[in-house]
Amino acid sequence: EIVLTQSPGTLSLSPGERATLSCRASQTVNSKFLVWYQQKPGQAPRLLIYGASSRATGISDRFSGSGSGTDFTLTINRLEPEDFAVYYCQQYDNSFLYTFGQGTRLEIK
Amino acid sequence: QVQLVQSGAEVKKPGASVKISCKASGYTFTPHYIHWLRQAPGQGLEWMGLCNPRGDTTTYAQKFRGRVAMTRDTSTNTVYMEVTSLTSEDTAVYYCAREFSGTYYFDSWGQGTLVTVSS
Repeated sequence: EIVLTQSPGTLSLSPGERATLSCRASQTVNSKFLVWYQQKPGQAPRLLIYGASSRATGISDRFSGSGSGTDFTLTINRLEPEDFAVYYCQQYDNSFLYTFGQGTRLEIK
Repeated sequence: QVQLVQSGAEVKKPGASVKISCKASGYTFTPHYIHWLRQAPGQGLEWMGLCNPRGDTTTYAQKFRGRVAMTRDTSTNTVYMEVTSLTSEDTAVYYCAREFSGTYYFDSWGQGTLVTVSS
């Protein structure tokens, strides 16, 4: 089973700053199957990025994804108040497993 | 627009079973998988399995095999998940989510169903 490790656990930044969130896999992940979600308190997760770098419908271009192999990054430029949330990476592998990282909490400094 | 509407919160005793529903609307039901995931209080997301509405086939995460059953009713565009032999560790919010055919990610989610297991 591929394990995804997200860092940092908590990121404290101010509105207007840039956030860089990391997702590291225990084995190589096909970039096609690396995804990012945003979750706000009391809400279901929302799809942000699929295929490591493609923005989902309606997602601001302040959000971008990059990476390959075992290292993937979600970058959020010019943080806005509504961006403060928990972010999860997710991958799919050929063992028919969908696994998630443990999440990064982005909080207002 | 795509909507997944789940049934309401449940409180169950240890050893009991719970059956949750997820009603889909706003798209053609059968080509797209419906997955079930859960999130324990203050914890991350855990994938439980999927139901293929077209053929009523299922795939379960190894952890849940033998204790979870997913079924669908194409006449009402509804997918069900039953979890048996509940323990306090099953206390969580359970989500259904759609995977648009062959994309391997979840593009629409239900609102979540809180299941509380307590004696």
